[in-house]
Amino acid sequence: KNQVEQSPQSLIILEGKNCTLQCNYTVSPFSNLRWYKQDTGRGPVSLTIMTFSENTKSNGRYTATLDADTKQSSLHITASQLSDSASYICVVSAANTGKLIFGQGTTLQVKP
Amino acid sequence: NAGVMQNPRHLVRRRGQEARLRCSPVKGHSHVYWYRQLPEEGLKFMVYLQKENIIDESGMPKERFSAEFPKEGPSILRIQQVVRGDSAAYFCASSPGTVIEQYFGPGTRLTVT
Repeated sequence: KNQVEQSPQSLIILEGKNCTLQCNYTVSPFSNLRWYKQDTGRGPVSLTIMTFSENTKSNGRYTATLDADTKQSSLHITASQLSDSASYICVVSAANTGKLIFGQGTTLQVKP
Repeated sequence: NAGVMQNPRHLVRRRGQEARLRCSPVKGHSHVYWYRQLPEEGLKFMVYLQKENIIDESGMPKERFSAEFPKEGPSILRIQQVVRGDSAAYFCASSPGTVIEQYFGPGTRLTVT
């Protein structure tokens, strides 16, 4: 069964600190993996998209990694800001259907 | 350029009523996707439409739910005879074609009382 699992479920960090969010997936065949940021009451906004051949991709203070062999991805946030408080969602696209399979998200709270 | 627009943002319906959710895709986008997010859960795919065609409705409940994307006007997700379990956030996304990126709207939060 195609699944995307994220950890931790929630995380609290102090402003300025770094953090890493994890994503494991069992989607096959794999097409691409995306990380989205979803602010409370808003729709998801794309942070990064990685295909099979890409190991890492950065978007400002966000850096995503992908290990297609172990089917794991991480999202590293550097020098966190209060505005980083949101839900971060890992989404994997299945190559045969094109469907997006969403993880449940990690809720990040950045405190001053 | 306006992004994906959804209205209403919040909708309250009593059990048994009908709910109509509207989605206007990014200008020029001909592909629309609907997702549902139940409380404390991740988004789940419902239906994928192109202009005047339903391409994939494998995520849609078999009864009471329907979707359309007419030649003119917004895409509509229609829920007939709503029940409490339909309470959720419904998100629409659009893309210009069969490309990777989907752009999400702000969602419609449906509450069934």
